[in-house]
Amino acid sequence: AQSVTQLGSHVSVSEGALVLLRCNYSSSVPPYLFWYVQYPNQGLQLLLKYTSAATLVKGINGFEAEFKKSETSFHLTKPSAHMSDAAEYFCAVSELGADGLTFGKGTHLIIQP
Amino acid sequence: KAGVTQTPRYLIKTRGQQVTLSCSPISGHRSVSWYQQTPGQGLQFLFEYFSETQRNKGNFPGRFSGRQFSNSRSEMNVSTLELGDSALYLCASSLGQGAFDGYTFGSGTRLTVV
Repeated sequence: AQSVTQLGSHVSVSEGALVLLRCNYSSSVPPYLFWYVQYPNQGLQLLLKYTSAATLVKGINGFEAEFKKSETSFHLTKPSAHMSDAAEYFCAVSELGADGLTFGKGTHLIIQP
Repeated sequence: KAGVTQTPRYLIKTRGQQVTLSCSPISGHRSVSWYQQTPGQGLQFLFEYFSETQRNKGNFPGRFSGRQFSNSRSEMNVSTLELGDSALYLCASSLGQGAFDGYTFGSGTRLTVV
């Protein structure tokens, strides 16, 4: 069965600092991987997705993620944090034919001024 | 281009009642999926509809059901409500089947069961 582990329920960084949100997955087949962001009282917005093409995936708002099969990881990074990045971030995995997306528990990103 | 529209935004129901939530996908999207979000369990997949057919169903009791109409609009129904059904219910649409194209989510319906 597929699963996702997000390390750190809360991550705090200073404005302008590197953002690193960790995601490890478990899947019996080559996975499709996603990062979503959720702002308060809103639905989820797709940041980026990995679908077995390039292992370094660039998304919106300056975020990118690298698929590392050997480490079963798909960590999300952004070189310089902005106050507007404060939100909840979810990593998710999907297998072909599986029942929808399996989400991690989420990481709350806090940006310190 | 209009996004995914969910109605109502907020709902308060009494235990034992039933409720129907509505979702209008992005124009041209044929797949609609539903997710439940709670503080304890996080985001959990309920079911997916594509071309009016349920493709997949998550691990929820039969009290949770849904349907999709010919215009791709979808409804989900929860019967005999329990306190534990209080959650944010999110609808997501995509162009093709499954999540591979990337979902577009609505803002959700927050259901409170008292």
